[in-house]
Amino acid sequence: DSGVTQTPKHLITATGQRVTLRCSPRSGDLSVYWYQQSLDQGLQFLIQYYNGEERAKGNILERFSAQQFPDLHSELNLSSLELGDSALYFCASSVRSGFTDTQYFGPGTRLTVL
Amino acid sequence: GESVGLHLPTLSVQEGDNSIINCAYSNSASDYFIWYKQESGKGPQFIIDIRSNMDKRQGQRVTVLLNKTVKHLSLQIAATQPGDSAVYFCAETSGYGQNFVFGPGTRLSVLP
Repeated sequence: DSGVTQTPKHLITATGQRVTLRCSPRSGDLSVYWYQQSLDQGLQFLIQYYNGEERAKGNILERFSAQQFPDLHSELNLSSLELGDSALYFCASSVRSGFTDTQYFGPGTRLTVL
Repeated sequence: GESVGLHLPTLSVQEGDNSIINCAYSNSASDYFIWYKQESGKGPQFIIDIRSNMDKRQGQRVTVLLNKTVKHLSLQIAATQPGDSAVYFCAETSGYGQNFVFGPGTRLSVLP
């Protein structure tokens, strides 16, 4: 158990809908990272927050957004969902802000868009 | 468990043998490299990392080799055990998350 929690574990929704995925980092970790893992695209970095502020951006679509709250939990919002958004979404956390800091991954949320 | 990738390259090794997993990275400006292990139904787990100013780093039963000339990274696992069965990903990054990219992954299957 990495200490990172993600909810929900599974999510099934329809095209055009909006969903919110939640991540609680390990105690003491200030950075949260979001990743998407799909069969065709593999693992992709989406976005990073550090102590409430956006720190780095990867291949995140404009339909997707994230935020990190004062209690350091983070939410990833996915809107206008398309079939291709079906994937595993992982969050990870680390103590510091740099990518050289070890990241601990949560168990993931499996999103299915029908 | 969750399907990570149905058509990943697979490396099959006998229990007790050494494993070598290879990765070709894409960006010559990458300065930090990481190997992750992903077991079925779980998130990736950090194994070992290496900076671009090194060419070798050792951990417990694992060694990472970096060849910047040919942009190649390898992960060596000594005395491979059944618990090592998983998908292994390399990742490269430069400039604080700019171009943080994962490789496609290799499935390691340990035979009894």
